[in-house]
Amino acid sequence: DGGITQSPKYLFRKEGQNVTLSCEQNLNHDAMYWYRQDPGQGLRLIYYSQIVNDFQKGDIAEGYSVSREKKESFPLTVTSAQKNPTAFYLCASKMVGIDSPLHFGNGTRLTVT
Amino acid sequence: QKEVEQNSGPLSVPEGAIASLNCTYSDRVSQSFFWYRQYSGKSPELIMSIYSNGDKEDGRFTAQLNKASQYVSLLIRDSQPSDSATYLCAGYAGNNRKLIWGLGTSLAVNP
Repeated sequence: DGGITQSPKYLFRKEGQNVTLSCEQNLNHDAMYWYRQDPGQGLRLIYYSQIVNDFQKGDIAEGYSVSREKKESFPLTVTSAQKNPTAFYLCASKMVGIDSPLHFGNGTRLTVT
Repeated sequence: QKEVEQNSGPLSVPEGAIASLNCTYSDRVSQSFFWYRQYSGKSPELIMSIYSNGDKEDGRFTAQLNKASQYVSLLIRDSQPSDSATYLCAGYAGNNRKLIWGLGTSLAVNP
């Protein structure tokens, strides 16, 4: 079955450590996205990529980095520069070129103490 | 005005009733809209897509798009306790086709 796999489901880190969240899709979608969700704040776009080896900053990119070396993979690194990293992180993908809906992975809940 | 606006709720309906969820949007948002359901602690799941004016039905769900009044709604017929979730409305905006999200409406279906 096609889908988006995020791992791990839960992640715990100490403050000051970088951490990488994995996102893999086998839907053959060109575009991939990272969102952050906090209670009461809705979905906020961190980074997105519409093609391999290219990505753009979203609304809250500071303290995050991404790479897109393969079509299937779009890992997100939460760096120590991110001031409030504890959140629910969602990876999504869609077909490029039309107003198609996003399909989401199951999310990674990151807790930094 | 927010670009995509939803009443946060909670909206409470008895089991078997029709739940009506509404979303209004600004001029910058286009006519491609989506409704997602999100259970607590889970990721959003696509319920309906609607691209043209009028109604679109899928099982117990009906999406309605009214371009003149700039709102999109989701009706859930025969509501079940398992429909209790937060419902997110989203629409595309601008030449760069950015997806704009509402904050969601919490729905509680009471047995």
